[in-house]
Amino acid sequence: DAGVIQSPRHEVTEMGQEVTLRCKPISGHDYLFWYRQTMMRGLELLIYFNNNVPIDDSGMPEDRFSAKMPNASFSTLKIQPSEPRDSAVYFCASSTSVQETQYFGPGTRLLVL
Amino acid sequence: SQKIEQNSEALNIQEGKTATLTCNYTNYSPAYLQWYRQDPGRGPVFLLLIRENEKEKRKERLKVTFDTTLKQSLFHITASQPADSATYLCALPPSGSARQLTFGSGTQLTVLP
Repeated sequence: DAGVIQSPRHEVTEMGQEVTLRCKPISGHDYLFWYRQTMMRGLELLIYFNNNVPIDDSGMPEDRFSAKMPNASFSTLKIQPSEPRDSAVYFCASSTSVQETQYFGPGTRLLVL
Repeated sequence: SQKIEQNSEALNIQEGKTATLTCNYTNYSPAYLQWYRQDPGRGPVFLLLIRENEKEKRKERLKVTFDTTLKQSLFHITASQPADSATYLCALPPSGSARQLTFGSGTQLTVLP
């Protein structure tokens, strides 16, 4: 298996623009997680899905953030409009259970100017 | 609320020595605890899981202890090598208040040649 795949790996955009991050989880994993990592706040869970259904989005910072999982092999995290404080590394992870080992993708490094 | 604390300072040790990293938690009695490794520019990678009824677990040069009375896990790397330099994160499973794996902020380890 190729592992969790994320794209793009790097994204530079200007404040106010829409940003879409993409994730393909490991086949057979029913859980998908979106995290944000910064030096100040560490690894923060934004939202997670079970069988394509959002279960907990309490970590989503504000309405500018939205996430979808239209099918078992694809998820997106969208920021609209983006702000400089959204600059961070965004990770997608998948697992077979909410309690089990999580497998992380390589991350998307986002810079909002 | 549930809280996880790891060595707040970066840890520098000499090659060949044993590195010891600490993970303390409060307001929680986890059934197990996980340790992950994160290299720069990459997502965290699972290393070890230790259950509450296991006082110690080993994997090659890695050793993890779990003291549920002290609410602490220690992560040891024996005969450390420069290739062990990375950030190490501990993670706890869902509790009554948290419905997903919660990660500590990590400890940055540097093994000096």
